[in-house]
Amino acid sequence: DSGVTQTPKHLITATGQRVTLRCSPRSGDLSVYWYQQSLDQGLQFLIQYYNGEERAKGNILERFSAQQFPDLHSELNLSSLELGDSALYFCASSVGSLAGREGYTFGSGTRLTVV
Amino acid sequence: QQQVKQSPQSLIVQKGGISIINCAYENTAFDYFPWYQQFPGKGPALLIAIRPDVSEKKEGRFTISFNKSAKQFSLHIMDSQPGDSATYFCAASNQGAQKLVFGQGTRLTINP
Repeated sequence: DSGVTQTPKHLITATGQRVTLRCSPRSGDLSVYWYQQSLDQGLQFLIQYYNGEERAKGNILERFSAQQFPDLHSELNLSSLELGDSALYFCASSVGSLAGREGYTFGSGTRLTVV
Repeated sequence: QQQVKQSPQSLIVQKGGISIINCAYENTAFDYFPWYQQFPGKGPALLIAIRPDVSEKKEGRFTISFNKSAKQFSLHIMDSQPGDSATYFCAASNQGAQKLVFGQGTRLTINP
């Protein structure tokens, strides 16, 4: 157990729907990162939050949004889902806001299947 | 310039052999190079990392070799075991960066 908790583990939903993925970071970690992993795209960075504030944004679609709450858990909201959104979504956490100093600890991911 | 190119995409090695995975980068500001190991159904886990002030770092059977002038780094797994079968990702970051940039991943299979 890495200490980063993601729920749910699996999610199957229809096109056009909206889902929320949840992440609880490792105890003491203030940063949360969201990544999308698909077979042909590898690990794609979506967004980072540090202590409640958005710090960095990657290739995140406008249909996707995220936030980090005062208790430091984070939610990734995916709306108007398309078949191409089917992927593994990983959350990672770190103590500070600079990934280059310490790396990340990843959760086990949420497998999203859009049908 | 933010890309990290990883090769090969897949690799099959016999038990006891040496597994070698290579990565190349363009951004000379990168100064932190970790490798992650991912088993099926799990998230990537930090395996070993290197900074450019050294050319090699060894932890057990795992070694990172770093060539600053060529902007390349590689992971060597000595005496490869079936339990090493996993997907391996290289990554890079620079001081002040909020995120790691990952390679495309290498699926390693160690045959018994």
